[in-house]
Amino acid sequence: DAMVIQNPRYQVTQFGKPVTLSCSQTLNHNVMYWYQQKSSQAPKLLFHYYDKDFNNEADTPDNFQSRRPNTSFCFLDIRSPGLGDAAMYLCATSSGTGGGTGELFFGEGSRLTVL
Amino acid sequence: GENVEQHPSTLSVQEGDSAVIKCTYSDSASNYFPWYKQELGKRPQLIIDIRSNVGEKKDQRIAVTLNKTAKHFSLHITETQPEDSAVYFCAASRAFNKFYFGSGTKLNVKP
Repeated sequence: DAMVIQNPRYQVTQFGKPVTLSCSQTLNHNVMYWYQQKSSQAPKLLFHYYDKDFNNEADTPDNFQSRRPNTSFCFLDIRSPGLGDAAMYLCATSSGTGGGTGELFFGEGSRLTVL
Repeated sequence: GENVEQHPSTLSVQEGDSAVIKCTYSDSASNYFPWYKQELGKRPQLIIDIRSNVGEKKDQRIAVTLNKTAKHFSLHITETQPEDSAVYFCAASRAFNKFYFGSGTKLNVKP
């Protein structure tokens, strides 16, 4: 009964070769987030969508972009991955202020390796 | 944005002992404070949360306390068990729109 599904689970790319990670949700949540988590560190918020409104964190590099074509799907595009972008990328959803518990639901993550 | 600090970074306790993890936050408008448990290689999962209109919440062996004036909140685990070993993250959110995480506490419960 996976509610937040990320693909692929593991992605290996070459330095500078664009990568797209996908996330889908069956919860009909308003808000979708992308977090970057490096080993032994806290998840770092990159950006989030509240419905169609995109909200970028001030310190998110321009190399990272996102798309949300509909309620269910959200994509993370890394235009030119560097070695420092190797990390686990976590997608999460929440109901936002639209009701519900407000709980953040995470996907299993996509682990990116940059060679 | 919000700044969440978490201490300690590692915590080692004997099975059966209690464990306490503390967090502070900077944004006085934050009003929702969840705690997540992350086992190695797995997704973070919510274990307990508290809203700003409540000072304490318990769920079996786990409790969370919140001091809005001091802007800090704590996770208390009693009668710890080896399966409690994991990394614990606190987080703060304003109106459930954005969640900012603390740096994590690696809890090791020794049998």
